[in-house]
Amino acid sequence: AQKVTQAQTEISVVEKEDVTLDCVYETRDTTYYLFWYKQPPSGELVFLIRRNSFDEQNEISGRYSWNFQKSTSSFNFTITASQVVDSAVYFCALSEAFRGGGNKLTFGTGTQLKVEL
Amino acid sequence: NAGVTQTPKFRVLKTGQSMTLLCAQDMNHEYMYWYRQDPGMGLRLIHYSVGEGTTAKGEVPDGYNVSRLKKQNFLLGLESAAPSQTSVYFCASRKELGNYGYTFGSGTRLTVV
Repeated sequence: AQKVTQAQTEISVVEKEDVTLDCVYETRDTTYYLFWYKQPPSGELVFLIRRNSFDEQNEISGRYSWNFQKSTSSFNFTITASQVVDSAVYFCALSEAFRGGGNKLTFGTGTQLKVEL
Repeated sequence: NAGVTQTPKFRVLKTGQSMTLLCAQDMNHEYMYWYRQDPGMGLRLIHYSVGEGTTAKGEVPDGYNVSRLKKQNFLLGLESAAPSQTSVYFCASRKELGNYGYTFGSGTRLTVV
């Protein structure tokens, strides 16, 4: 069975601070996909990134960066120079790659990020 | 393209009432999913479908039924609503092959009183 753990329930930072959101996953599959989603106060789910299990290169997109380490089963998300607009709930998720299984997406419990002035 | 459309967006039910949530996608996606989101628990899979006429149970299927009579629609039914089913419900879809991205609807907020 797949499992995603986001141990940080809530994080509060002051604007312009860097913040890292942790994600640890469990899976028996050798091929899988990892995701991060943002859920702002308006409630919709916003896709941020997808990474497959064979690509361990870190990725940077503007102020966002992701660190994927297969050895520790972690896929951490860092926001540099945080802004108030970054305040949201962030979800890490894992999907199996085996098509016959329905490619179900398993979510972590989410991390509430509050960025204050 | 509209993507994934969920109706209704809000609903209040009395305990014991029944209702159906509709998820419609116009992307010709094979796979569709229903999730519920509760505070502190993330999104949990209720049921899913890998194609027209097929459905399967997810992590928390009790109290719900689903149908996929048409490829573009995935219906979630509550036969006898209970307060424990108060939640935000999200529908998602994705293609079977190639594109591994999931498209989510905007959610349905359901309150059972």
